[in-house]
Amino acid sequence: NAGVTQTPKFRVLKTGQSMTLLCAQDMNHEYMYWYRQDPGMGLRLIHYSVGEGTTAKGEVPDGYNVSRLKKQNFLLGLESAAPSQTSVYFCASSYSGTGRGPEAFFGQGTRLTVV
Amino acid sequence: AQKITQTQPGMFVQEKEAVTLDCTYDTSDPSYGLFWYKQPSSGEMIFLIYQGSYDQQNATEGRYSLNFQKARKSANLVISASQLGDSAMYFCAMREGAAGRRALTFGSGTRLQVQP
Repeated sequence: NAGVTQTPKFRVLKTGQSMTLLCAQDMNHEYMYWYRQDPGMGLRLIHYSVGEGTTAKGEVPDGYNVSRLKKQNFLLGLESAAPSQTSVYFCASSYSGTGRGPEAFFGQGTRLTVV
Repeated sequence: AQKITQTQPGMFVQEKEAVTLDCTYDTSDPSYGLFWYKQPSSGEMIFLIYQGSYDQQNATEGRYSLNFQKARKSANLVISASQLGDSAMYFCAMREGAAGRRALTFGSGTRLQVQP
């Protein structure tokens, strides 16, 4: 059972380059999220989606764009990478309701370095 | 304003002892969920335990229990009989809203080190 899969696991970018991080989930979850984690810190929400075709900004959305064209996929794009975007990126997904089974399932993370 | 506050950057505990990791939260929504996640040095996020705002009893999952004090807005994680493998970062998180339409908000974490 795959759960949440992030591609790629590691990437080094030059300042100004663009890239797309792919998140795929096979649990039929409605909600998907992108977080970044900087050294010694908690996870900060970049963007999230409550369903196919919908996205919303999180706490730190600047410099990122997202798309959710299919329910199982959530893409995070960096149009012009900056050194400040060096971080570990986590994708997560969850069901829409509260109650039993509300936890978010996380991918293994993508370590991105911008030089 | 911080929605989730974890005031202990680091904690030490002796193997086989119990430890409490503190978490306070801030919300005006009557319906919310509280979560604890573990992040070992390998980096993955592991779900530990969940408490809903309307749950009458404190949540328990094996050696993990959540000390939920609604009036004080605290949701402390208690780990009983600590093991060396419990050494990790621990994050408290909250999701607000009856329909769960808002995302998880995380605290800054507590690094737990279990000593033999």
